[in-house]
Amino acid sequence: GESVGLHLPTLSVQEGDNSIINCAYSNSASDYFIWYKQESGKGPQFIIDIRSNMDKRQGQRVTVLLNKTVKHLSLQIAATQPGDSAVYFCAENSGGSNYKLTFGKGTLLTVNP
Amino acid sequence: DTAVSQTPKYLVTQMGNDKSIKCEQNLGHDTMYWYKQDSKKFLKIMFSYNNKELIINETVPNRFSPKSPDKAHLNLHINSLELGDSAVYFCASSQAGTGETQYFGPGTRLLVL
Repeated sequence: GESVGLHLPTLSVQEGDNSIINCAYSNSASDYFIWYKQESGKGPQFIIDIRSNMDKRQGQRVTVLLNKTVKHLSLQIAATQPGDSAVYFCAENSGGSNYKLTFGKGTLLTVNP
Repeated sequence: DTAVSQTPKYLVTQMGNDKSIKCEQNLGHDTMYWYKQDSKKFLKIMFSYNNKELIINETVPNRFSPKSPDKAHLNLHINSLELGDSAVYFCASSQAGTGETQYFGPGTRLLVL
């Protein structure tokens, strides 16, 4: 069936290091992907998105890479800060008339000062 | 200004009761959603409405009944609450639905005793 999963459920990094959070998806028809950040006690917050006609997109301190050949998505956070500590979710939309986002399991990122 | 708001933030109730959660968005979006997040942080869509019409119903028990009085509001009514309904419920909205970013509310933490 369709699924989105994460390789690493937890990731611990030192402040100032770069972080990489990975996500695998199984629906080759998915054409839109989003990364969300969820801080404790809050709702998921949009970070960055990418469409399937791209393989890289950059934001402020964040970069999303899409490899459609192996159905892999990653989120890179540069110079990780304590405020980046949160659960990160990838989500996919399979396009067409389907309004549904399918979320991955989430990765807990902990930034050590 | 809060883009997507939910009330109440916390809801503690007895098994068998009926309760409602309200959601409002001031983003002018056409599509609204309800998600359930379990204790393991897994986010799963329950319902989606586009311009007050139901477009996604993800095999949710019929004790759950969404209602959309207008496209800025999507409420969730739950009958005969069960212990397993304890979770965080998130409302979200998006502009068009397919391939568009969804913006989440702060969540309603439901505890059924």
